[in-house]
Amino acid sequence: SYVLTLPPSVSVAPGKTATITCGGNNIGSKSVHWYQQKPGQAPLMVIFYDTDRPSGIPERFSGSNSGNTATLTISRVEAGDEADYYCQVWDSTGDHPVFGGGTKLTVL
Amino acid sequence: QVQLVQSGAAVKKPGASVRVSCRASGLGFNGHAMHWLRQAPGQRLEWVGWINTANGDTRYSQNIQDRVTITWDASASTGYMDVSSLRFEDTAVYYCARGPIVGATTHPFDFWGQGSPVTVSS
Repeated sequence: SYVLTLPPSVSVAPGKTATITCGGNNIGSKSVHWYQQKPGQAPLMVIFYDTDRPSGIPERFSGSNSGNTATLTISRVEAGDEADYYCQVWDSTGDHPVFGGGTKLTVL
Repeated sequence: QVQLVQSGAAVKKPGASVRVSCRASGLGFNGHAMHWLRQAPGQRLEWVGWINTANGDTRYSQNIQDRVTITWDASASTGYMDVSSLRFEDTAVYYCARGPIVGATTHPFDFWGQGSPVTVSS
């Protein structure tokens, strides 16, 4: 089955840029969605279809996808961005979703 | 207000059954499906199954398909997930979410319920 690989943790100072990568075999050919999950809360979609941002999500959040890596970039990181981040695609058969293991973003 | 409101926490013994409900408020499911996912403590999200609210078609994860049933009550705009023969490893927070009709699109899960903790303990 398809596997998505994320780093377990990423640390960044406030005001700096955080980059979270999601690796998968030829992931560039798939549509990638990103979710933010804060402790005790449900996941929140922050990027969909690789680069699109839902209404209400700050422009500081952006995404890209090419080759074997999809990337979530958070500019001018704030303390409130501290959370777990998950990438998600649909399996090649299209019948079930695949989630990465999640990256814990720590704001120093 | 657009929201999915789930039932509260449950504690069950091994072998018992649990029902989790998810009421849609201000949120339509035309062209979408209701999905159920779960997240065990410290683990990644795991998909459980989905229901096409328009025609009742369902599909379940192979990991749990023999023990789970998902239904939809259109009159109440409420979805239900029943899990039987509970095991310790079913302990998780269960989420409902609006997502794609499987196989038709690759849409994301754009709205989520608040989560329903289920603990299986003897």
